[in-house]
Amino acid sequence: GQNIDQPTEMTATEGAIVQINCTYQTSGFNGLFWYQQHAGEAPTFLSYNVLDGLEEKGRFSSFLSRSKGYSYLLLKELQMKDSASYLCAVRDRYGNYQLIWGAGTKLIIKP
Amino acid sequence: DAGVIQSPRHEVTEMGQEVTLRCKPISGHDYLFWYRQTMMRGLELLIYFNNNVPIDDSGMPEDRFSAKMPNASFSTLKIQPSEPRDSAVYFCASSSGAGGNTEAFFGQGTRLTVV
Repeated sequence: GQNIDQPTEMTATEGAIVQINCTYQTSGFNGLFWYQQHAGEAPTFLSYNVLDGLEEKGRFSSFLSRSKGYSYLLLKELQMKDSASYLCAVRDRYGNYQLIWGAGTKLIIKP
Repeated sequence: DAGVIQSPRHEVTEMGQEVTLRCKPISGHDYLFWYRQTMMRGLELLIYFNNNVPIDDSGMPEDRFSAKMPNASFSTLKIQPSEPRDSAVYFCASSSGAGGNTEAFFGQGTRLTVV
């Protein structure tokens, strides 16, 4: 079957680093996405991984291990505006290449 | 481009009434998706279109839900009759292609409340 797991909520301090984990099970893995969603707004694209390793984009990095069915999103130098939900989504080629979404991790940044 | 445009932003209706949600995808995008998001179930794919043709509607909860895409620049999601459990945020998204690193661009959503 298909399944994606993320922590429901995390809390971190402004200026610190936080890692949000995502584990997945899918038979036809074809890429993993991270999206950011501020409260009351639409999800917006953050990153894409299809090969193992780390993709860095400014303060945000995303890591993938296909053999472990595992990814993480690393946020550095946290700012208050980073308070949002972070959604992990996996593309499945056996599901017409459509995205399977995790429930999202609500990240709370404290001063 | 103005991005994906949805209307209305908010809709409050009484149980039993018909509700129509509207979406204008990004020009040139050939895929259009309708999602529903709730606290309990997260983001759920309801239906998606490729080149205006419905490809997979297995996520549509029941016959009360229907979606159309009469042309490349417009789609509707209709609920008739509406029920309180349909209350959610409905997102429309579009993308250019479906594989690889193709990202979906989301509209601002329609917050539907059925009382």
